[in-house]
Amino acid sequence: SQQGEEDPQALSIQEGENATMNCSYKTSINNLQWYRQNSGRGLVHLILIRSNEREKHSGRLRVTLDTSKKSSSLLITASRAADTASYFCATDAYNAGNMLTFGGGTRLMVKP
Amino acid sequence: SQTIHQWPATLVQPVGSPLSLECTVEGTSNPNLYWYRQAAGRGLQLLFYSVGIGQISSEVPQNLSASRPQDRQFILSSKKLLLSDSGFYLCAFGGRYIEAFFGQGTRLTVV
Repeated sequence: SQQGEEDPQALSIQEGENATMNCSYKTSINNLQWYRQNSGRGLVHLILIRSNEREKHSGRLRVTLDTSKKSSSLLITASRAADTASYFCATDAYNAGNMLTFGGGTRLMVKP
Repeated sequence: SQTIHQWPATLVQPVGSPLSLECTVEGTSNPNLYWYRQAAGRGLQLLFYSVGIGQISSEVPQNLSASRPQDRQFILSSKKLLLSDSGFYLCAFGGRYIEAFFGQGTRLTVV
């Protein structure tokens, strides 16, 4: 079963613009993570935010977490063509054993 | 350093043939291990996860099975492949309270 659902499913922007992707989940979590996947490759971890954190930054990435709304957002600022990829959120749900479950992803295209 | 190896990268198998995909991890002990399947353009479906040797949990009823004969080895198997088993299979370790590390994936085509 999928815990997280990303929105939008696809996003196309121009280089230099900001990209915002959202993730909603259903049950209480220990942490939420964002991953990036280039076409046909494995996933690469971007950032982890714990359930007691509200915002986290890493370079051009900004992640927010609202546990009351069971949602998270990933903001990529000043996007580059190399940011073109699929982005997934994943949750380590509270009382869900050791499962890490993923949403359907957002396919981001950054046009040069 | 922690690394994960998954092979083969691509595989074409006839319907009804057996399957064995192997994943090994280095640089960590007693990792949580995962097998995911990804349909084209879609998210990751969790197939199996393991918290220790011989401990396998399955998330979906399916034609596949998993085994963990050693602490850092995770194997995905099938006795008889179906066309619907085609997909992109990903092995990963970690994930609970920490980031997950993914293998490069295996593109399986059942013909």
